[in-house]
Amino acid sequence: NAGVTQTPKFQVLKTGQSMTLQCAQDMNHNSMYWYRQDPGMGLRLIYYSASEGTTDKGEVPNGYNVSRLNKREFSLRLESAAPSQTSVYFCASNGDRANSPLHFGNGTRLTVT
Amino acid sequence: QKEVEQNSGPLSVPEGAIASLNCTYSDRGSQSFFWYRQYSGKSPELIMFIYSNGDKEDGRFTAQLNKASQYVSLLIRDSQPSDSATYLCAVNLYRFTGGGNKLTFGTGTQLKVEL
Repeated sequence: NAGVTQTPKFQVLKTGQSMTLQCAQDMNHNSMYWYRQDPGMGLRLIYYSASEGTTDKGEVPNGYNVSRLNKREFSLRLESAAPSQTSVYFCASNGDRANSPLHFGNGTRLTVT
Repeated sequence: QKEVEQNSGPLSVPEGAIASLNCTYSDRGSQSFFWYRQYSGKSPELIMFIYSNGDKEDGRFTAQLNKASQYVSLLIRDSQPSDSATYLCAVNLYRFTGGGNKLTFGTGTQLKVEL
């Protein structure tokens, strides 16, 4: 059981370049999320998708776009990367019950120079 | 006021001692509470969750919830060096009307278990 799979694990971009982070889960979860984690800031929600075909902004959506391609896949796109987007990005998913924990991918370490 | 607050630490305890990690939250409507452990360079992993007032035990870990005082704590008994990590508290408001089942995280407490 793979759980949540994220790619790539590491990425270095120059300012202004674009890239897409891929995420897939095999747990049949309706909800999927993208978080970023910065030192001293904790995990902050960028975007989430409560079900296939829907997406909503989280706490820090500026500079990002997302696509819920199907129930399994949820991608995060940086159209024009900025140094402020240097961070570790985590994809996660969970079920619909109140006590449903988040299951995390292994993370993507992104550096924008 | 932050939605979920934790002392960043580091919290240092000797091996074999009890480590006590605390978390407070601002929204009285919060329904469920989670503790995650995160080793450096790794993703968060679930330790346990709690949603009823009182204590919940799982091995060396005990989660305590007090909704009236809006705090949740994690006790680690017989602390081991392998418990050295950052512990994240997460809260679920659970107003699930098709809006996702989001967790809000604290910034984490770094725990160091010393030999």
